Amino acid sequence: KQEVTQIPAALSVPEGENLVLNCSFTDSAIYNLQWFRQDPGKGLTSLLLIQSSQREQTSGRLNASLDKSSGRSTLYIAASQPGDSATYLCAVKVAGGSYIPTFGRGTSLIVHP
Amino acid sequence: GAGVSQSPRYKVAKRGQDVALRCDPISGHVSLFWYQQALGQGPEFLTYFQNEAQLDKSGLPSDRFFAERPEGSVSTLKIQRTQQEDSAVYLCASSPRTSVDEKLFFGSGTQLSVL
Repeated sequence: KQEVTQIPAALSVPEGENLVLNCSFTDSAIYNLQWFRQDPGKGLTSLLLIQSSQREQTSGRLNASLDKSSGRSTLYIAASQPGDSATYLCAVKVAGGSYIPTFGRGTSLIVHP
Repeated sequence: GAGVSQSPRYKVAKRGQDVALRCDPISGHVSLFWYQQALGQGPEFLTYFQNEAQLDKSGLPSDRFFAERPEGSVSTLKIQRTQQEDSAVYLCASSPRTSVDEKLFFGSGTQLSVL
């Protein structure tokens, strides 16, 4: 069974810092990995989707990388802003079966002014 | 186009009551997923539909949980004889096709509180 772990569980930083959030998974036979943002009391908003054949994806100040062989993905946030405060979740879609995405517990990020 | 819509937004139930949670996916989306999210946790898979077919229900925690999608669009998650441990946010997600490279689009969820 695929296990997804996110480190750190929580992070509090001053505005302007560059951040790295980590996602690791136990089964490297994945199809894709998706990063989401969740604001309190809200659903999940997709940030970036990386296919298994890709190494990274970029959107604005966000960059996500994927290293399947080591079972890791990182989400890099450049020049963090208070509006980036949210919980960040990664979800891994595994090979075989019905391709059900498995989620980590998330990293709770607070960016203070 | 509207996004994924879930109703009700909040539901308070007395222990033992039956509840029904509704999900309207994005129009034309083939795949539909239900997840359960406890406070401070990541979403846990409950069940998956491809059109009207329920292809995977391995995540349903007990036979009190039942989901359907009779016409391949709107889906309902029903919980019978609710228990306090059922209190959680129930999230619905859809994606356009069945390809493995498709993004998931989530609704805002239904927060269920069982008293």
